[in-house]
Amino acid sequence: KNEVEQSPQNLTAQEGEFITINCSYSVGISALHWLQQHPGGGIVSLFMLSSGKKKHGRLIATINIQEKHSSLHITASHPRDSAVYICAVRTYLRHTGNQFYFGTGTSLTVIP
Amino acid sequence: EAQVTQNPRYLITVTGKKLTVTCSQNMNHEYMSWYRQDPGLGLRQIYYSMNVEVTDKGDVPEGYKVSRKEKRNFPLILESPSPNQTSLYFCASSSRLAGGTYNEQFFGPGTRLTVL
Repeated sequence: KNEVEQSPQNLTAQEGEFITINCSYSVGISALHWLQQHPGGGIVSLFMLSSGKKKHGRLIATINIQEKHSSLHITASHPRDSAVYICAVRTYLRHTGNQFYFGTGTSLTVIP
Repeated sequence: EAQVTQNPRYLITVTGKKLTVTCSQNMNHEYMSWYRQDPGLGLRQIYYSMNVEVTDKGDVPEGYKVSRKEKRNFPLILESPSPNQTSLYFCASSSRLAGGTYNEQFFGPGTRLTVL
């Protein structure tokens, strides 16, 4: 069972390109999270969304609750954006409580 | 500095030897959670706690125990480790928001466990 699906699994881009990573989920959620994991393993939270759109610098995250889909966009990509990007959903259902489910991640490499 | 700490960062052990990985946060967060990360499978939730003395199973709780006696600490216990528990483990915490939802998670640096 895959509650969260991400695409693509791997992505290589030239510096300056516009990048989109997609996430679809199949469970009821209270929030969707985008995480970033750099080589070396540390995980950082980029966004938490329950509706609409959020923007931090060159990163934009959107969510469509009806379609159960979210996208993470990176504008003017830079080699320092090279990392694994992980989509996660927090459920809030009576039988699952506050459980998290994760996509398997998108490995992004930005070439100078 | 606001942080989540885990100890040890690296551990090699043998099958059946009980071990504890500690997790501590200094942000007074209500929610704490343990995850394991494996190649091809991604992150999976082991156990979580919504507050002191309240713990719940995640997706893969078999072979693990947790306790939440204090708000800041959430240790992960492997009573009898087996090789299939070799993995990268992360602890995380988040604060409770008005309305009963929770904020973004802060992650610890990870503990790489090898069970021989």
